[in-house]
Amino acid sequence: EADIYQTPRYLVIGTGKKITLECSQTMGHDKMYWYQQDPGMELHLIHYSYGVNSTEKGDLSSESTVSRIRTEHFPLTLESARPSHTSQYLCASSEVADGYEQYFGPGTRLTVT
Amino acid sequence: SQKIEQNSEALNIQEGKTATLTCNYTNYSPAYLQWYRQDPGRGPVFLLLIRENEKEKRKERLKVTFDTTLKQSLFHITASQPADSATYLCALPYSSASKIIFGSGTRLSIRP
Repeated sequence: EADIYQTPRYLVIGTGKKITLECSQTMGHDKMYWYQQDPGMELHLIHYSYGVNSTEKGDLSSESTVSRIRTEHFPLTLESARPSHTSQYLCASSEVADGYEQYFGPGTRLTVT
Repeated sequence: SQKIEQNSEALNIQEGKTATLTCNYTNYSPAYLQWYRQDPGRGPVFLLLIRENEKEKRKERLKVTFDTTLKQSLFHITASQPADSATYLCALPYSSASKIIFGSGTRLSIRP
């Protein structure tokens, strides 16, 4: 069982609200990632980090922002939620060396009304 | 840019048979390729990695092959069981190798 946690698991929120999705891992991994996935569709990388104070945008344009102040914590923030942000958000982490598996959290299912 | 093609149609297999899933990629040959399993509403779980210099990799009832000439990987589950029903994702690194790209997956259903 992977030691990577996401909260909340489910969130229903109104348009315009600010939200933060939490992701924590206890494996000491330097690399962390955020993916967005719609039902039946592929995962799209929206943010990644190679370590503390390192963050980069992924390939899918996203209005969200991330921070990496501690190795174990990689929260994602939406300043003003919109219905188009409705999706599943998955956090993952991995070892630094290439080829290592990614460990995924259980995901946050976000619905913006 | 690299593209991954997995059969978008669901695969229905009788219990006990071998399930074979296909992953094709379009551009450069990656240094490695990974397979993940994803159950509904959950994050993917890593199954196997195969490197470019390996033709085949096995783990229990799972077998993965990697053909860099065909730009294809095959994922086999032998003696399939209903508990193997899930979506299986192929993943491989971007050219920078520090990130990976996932295919959209193939949904596998094993009927008793």
